[in-house]
Amino acid sequence: SAVISQKPSRDICQRGTSLTIQCQVDSQVTMMFWYRQQPGQSLTLIATANQGSEATYESGFVIDKFPISRPNLTFSTLTVSNMSPEDSSIYLCSVAAQSGANVLTFGAGSRLTVL
Amino acid sequence: AQTVTQSQPEMSVQEAETVTLSCTYDTSENNYYLFWYKQPPSRQMILVIRQEAYKQQNATENRFSVNFQKAAKSFSLKISDSQLGDTAMYFCAFMIPYGGATNKLIFGTGTLLAVQP
Repeated sequence: SAVISQKPSRDICQRGTSLTIQCQVDSQVTMMFWYRQQPGQSLTLIATANQGSEATYESGFVIDKFPISRPNLTFSTLTVSNMSPEDSSIYLCSVAAQSGANVLTFGAGSRLTVL
Repeated sequence: AQTVTQSQPEMSVQEAETVTLSCTYDTSENNYYLFWYKQPPSRQMILVIRQEAYKQQNATENRFSVNFQKAAKSFSLKISDSQLGDTAMYFCAFMIPYGGATNKLIFGTGTLLAVQP
């Protein structure tokens, strides 16, 4: 299955700043998904990113707060803008496994702490 | 809207014993996939097992098996011969393929499993 690298692994950020998380995949994939996992919670989908088109955001998430780029079939970024302590979460990138068996593979996640 | 419910926030099992984690879901779709993922303290999400809704046979992966009851919309995970390395958060998840292709996962709230020595 696809191997996903996420950067940064973790970061501590100041309130009001923005941080960009990178997701690099070792193979070309059509769809990439960004999830948020708040402390002690489950995973919630933020948006789906397709190459060459605008990302599709889930209810409760907006582009101004979580802009996403998808410049090619192996890379995507998620920016968390104007951060507040409520944005402290693990952010995970996921893609379809190469097997095509309708399985998602996940990156190791980026743990953000906002002070 | 599709929902996934895990009613057991925490469970504990002795090493080498068997434990069953519960999951129910709600959907009006007929074609979908169900998954169990585990998330150990390393926070890496790892696929445990996958079930296609159109298959009546329950999926099995070594010590892990499911009891899929489509009519009841139930999808429980049985772990046999529990090992210390099974300690993790377990998430039940649901996917409706989009045009047959991989689509987003909808997750349950998770069950924290502790395997005791």
